[in-house]
Amino acid sequence: DAGITQSPRHKVTETGTPVTLRCHQTENHRYMYWYRQDPGHGLRLIHYSYGVKDTDKGEVSDGYSVSRSKTEDFLLTLESATSSQTSVYFCAISERGPGNEQFFGPGTRLTVL
Amino acid sequence: DAKTTQPNSMESNEEEPVHLPCNHSTISGTDYIHWYRQLPSQGPEYVIHGLTSNVNNRMASLAIAEDRKSSTLILHRATLRDAAVYYCILSRYNQGGKLIFGQGTELSVKP
Repeated sequence: DAGITQSPRHKVTETGTPVTLRCHQTENHRYMYWYRQDPGHGLRLIHYSYGVKDTDKGEVSDGYSVSRSKTEDFLLTLESATSSQTSVYFCAISERGPGNEQFFGPGTRLTVL
Repeated sequence: DAKTTQPNSMESNEEEPVHLPCNHSTISGTDYIHWYRQLPSQGPEYVIHGLTSNVNNRMASLAIAEDRKSSTLILHRATLRDAAVYYCILSRYNQGGKLIFGQGTELSVKP
């Protein structure tokens, strides 16, 4: 299995509080992605990174920011969490990016009350 | 972004082949066809991908139509562990390889 960990694995927080989710990889892959999964929506891309300090928006980026200061870590931040951001968040990595396979982490279940 | 269309659900019997169809009529020349599957409470798992030619790996085969407007994932002998949601996805080379997931096909396997 690809070395991808996500922390925390579960989090309950209140509306309006900031939340940071961490994705850590030991594979030295260049590309990293954040998705969210909600019932009836499959997975939707939030943000992705194609290198240290290089990031771009996905299809549902509003309310989220990301940072990648080193190859192994990709952080997803909810500046002010809302109930609509209750979801399961998955991180993925890819060695060669476009057209190539992505390996997914175990997910983080976030509940915003 | 190009879209894919898959049946919502399919059933199969154990040890029989399974053909999972996918339509992608708006596919462009730089789109790769990917298949992932997701077991309950787990992250998606890569199955196979291709561009123009049919592809085989230890998990499955991918048959791509000549006009690339459709493809079929083939599981040669379904097992109970193959029960999952299967996603057919197009990944555009010039968009960072991001995957746009659809609803997928929920495959159930009967013993």
